[in-house]
Amino acid sequence: LAKTTQPISMDSYEGQEVNITCSHNNIATNDYITWYQQFPSQGPRFIIQGYKTKVTNEVASLFIPADRKSSTLSLPRVSLSDTAVYYCLVGINAGGTSYGKLTFGQGTILTVHP
Amino acid sequence: GAVVSQHPSRVICKSGTSVKIECRSLDFQATTMFWYRQFPKQSLMLMATSNEGSKATYEQGVEKDKFLINHASLTLSTLTVTSAHPEDSSFYICSARDLEAGIFNYGYTFGSGTRLTVV
Repeated sequence: LAKTTQPISMDSYEGQEVNITCSHNNIATNDYITWYQQFPSQGPRFIIQGYKTKVTNEVASLFIPADRKSSTLSLPRVSLSDTAVYYCLVGINAGGTSYGKLTFGQGTILTVHP
Repeated sequence: GAVVSQHPSRVICKSGTSVKIECRSLDFQATTMFWYRQFPKQSLMLMATSNEGSKATYEQGVEKDKFLINHASLTLSTLTVTSAHPEDSSFYICSARDLEAGIFNYGYTFGSGTRLTVV
């Protein structure tokens, strides 16, 4: 699986837009990019997934440049409840229709301040 | 959406005893489930892949005789920590994927986790 690199931590304030970038220089042709959110003492929660360009759902947007060597998770107008750890995962088994295992990197600790 | 139920959420046991953790897919069938362990302030570490009707596949460094996995049905996988010791205290999480969820759900669903404390 392609290795990912994310900032260890980020700080923001309520109402701001937060962009978390993940580097995955060795991403393979068949790899998907998936982001998860984890609150303390809870299991991770799926946020968004993409392959190329831009994907948007009700909670976030995912921007993927043409070379796919990085991706940016965008959280619009964050609130205190968005304080969590955000993980970027890359791999063919992060998407598609297989049962492949997921390997988590260190993640980004996002702290939203009042 | 797909729901994975994990039980118990917290358990305290004495050193040397065994503890069983259950992971159920409530509204879908999962022939494969995954077990993770997470220590404080660290990321999730995959322990093993649980396969319905067959033996689990363990990651390197994970003792299969200590962490017994049983996947007897399409909706239930159990992890038993045998002869638990304080160093086994951790947050254990299971996950599964609903392959019938369609193109709008490509993610894995995780259980809420089990906090194991061995005293």
